[in-house]
Amino acid sequence: NAGVMQNPRHLVRRRGQEARLRCSPMKGHSHVYWYRQLPEEGLKFMVYLQKENIIDESGMPKERFSAEFPKEGPSILRIQQVVRGDSAAYFCASSRQTAGGNEQFFGPGTRLTVL
Amino acid sequence: GQQLNQSPQSMFIQEGEDVSMNCTSSSIFNTWLWYKQDPGEGPVLLIALYKAGELTSNGRLTAQFGITRKDSFLNISASIPSDVGIYFCAGQGGSEKLVFGKGTKLTVNP
Repeated sequence: NAGVMQNPRHLVRRRGQEARLRCSPMKGHSHVYWYRQLPEEGLKFMVYLQKENIIDESGMPKERFSAEFPKEGPSILRIQQVVRGDSAAYFCASSRQTAGGNEQFFGPGTRLTVL
Repeated sequence: GQQLNQSPQSMFIQEGEDVSMNCTSSSIFNTWLWYKQDPGEGPVLLIALYKAGELTSNGRLTAQFGITRKDSFLNISASIPSDVGIYFCAGQGGSEKLVFGKGTKLTVNP
């Protein structure tokens, strides 16, 4: 059973370009979360999505960042007009909603470098 | 916002020693999770705790959900070189999002 898949694993962009990060959840999981990790830091929540719905985007910057989880295909985190401060590791997690809890399983991450 | 204080920041131990790390919060959590992250990889779930006072083991790992629901600890017994990595606690309150500590970096000397 494949785990959470993310691609690309590494992404290099110049300032002003767009970055698109993709995430395929584990089989049977319908909930997707995006987190950002800066060096030497813990992960910071960005957004929580279910199919075709954004449930909680309280951690998303107000501008340039958007996320979607379409009916078909992977979840996409999109960063427009990237700046150097966007350089970080971006992790996707997925879960299957259960009555007893909500264990989130993480992908390997996409490391974004903005030149 | 919610914050987790995780300590210690780093630990240097000899192979075979036991390890203990903990997390405290200013607010209550309903779930505590412990993850391990290796360089260049995503966090891997080690233990999940759902009830105050719960004590759960996974091999050489033992974790507890504090009675006050504001803290949790993780113990690793008889450490081995492959235990090296960064350990994160994460709490979940009234929403689905996880709040992470800053991590404990563990180094095990053979």
